[in-house]
Amino acid sequence: SYVLTQPLSVSVAPGKTARITCGGNNIGRKSVHWYQQKPGQAPVLVICYDIDRPSGIPERFSGSNSGNTATLTISRVEDGDEADYYCQVWDSSSDQGVFGGGTKLTVL
Amino acid sequence: EVQLVESGGGLVQPGGSLRLSCAASGFTISTYWMHWVRQAPGKGLVWVSRINSNGSSTYYADSVKGRFTISRDTAKNTLYLQMNSLRAEDTAVYYCAKEDYGGNSIDYWGQGTLVTVSS
Repeated sequence: SYVLTQPLSVSVAPGKTARITCGGNNIGRKSVHWYQQKPGQAPVLVICYDIDRPSGIPERFSGSNSGNTATLTISRVEDGDEADYYCQVWDSSSDQGVFGGGTKLTVL
Repeated sequence: EVQLVESGGGLVQPGGSLRLSCAASGFTISTYWMHWVRQAPGKGLVWVSRINSNGSSTYYADSVKGRFTISRDTAKNTLYLQMNSLRAEDTAVYYCAKEDYGGNSIDYWGQGTLVTVSS
């Protein structure tokens, strides 16, 4: 089955840029979606189809996807961005959804 | 406004059964593909199941295939997950989720319902 690999944690100072990676075999050929989850809350879609921002998501959130790595970039990080972030794809070969293991973003 | 409200969670013994419900409002489930996603305590998100817009196709994670069944009642605008032969490792918060139209991202999530499998 398809596997997505994320770093367990990323730390960044306020105002700096955070980059969270999601690795997968030829992930650049798939559409990658990113979700933010704060403690005790349901996930929220922050980036879809590699680079698109849903309505209401700040422009500080952006995405890219190429080769074997997709990346979620958060510019000018704020305290409120502290959360767990998950990447997700649909694996058409197995007809199954796949989530990465999640990355805890800590704002120093 | 899109809303998804899960119910039916609770404590069940290993080997038992439970049916989760997800009442949808603000949209018609017969127009959209729908998902169930779960999250064990302190762990990450795990995709469980998906049903297409007309209910004719269903998809399952290997870990639940043959034990769980996804279905929907369009008259009630409600999604279901029938869970049989439950195991301790099925303990999790179960989220109902709506897929975006024509794609495969999940654009709306419910607040989740907790299922605990324990003797």
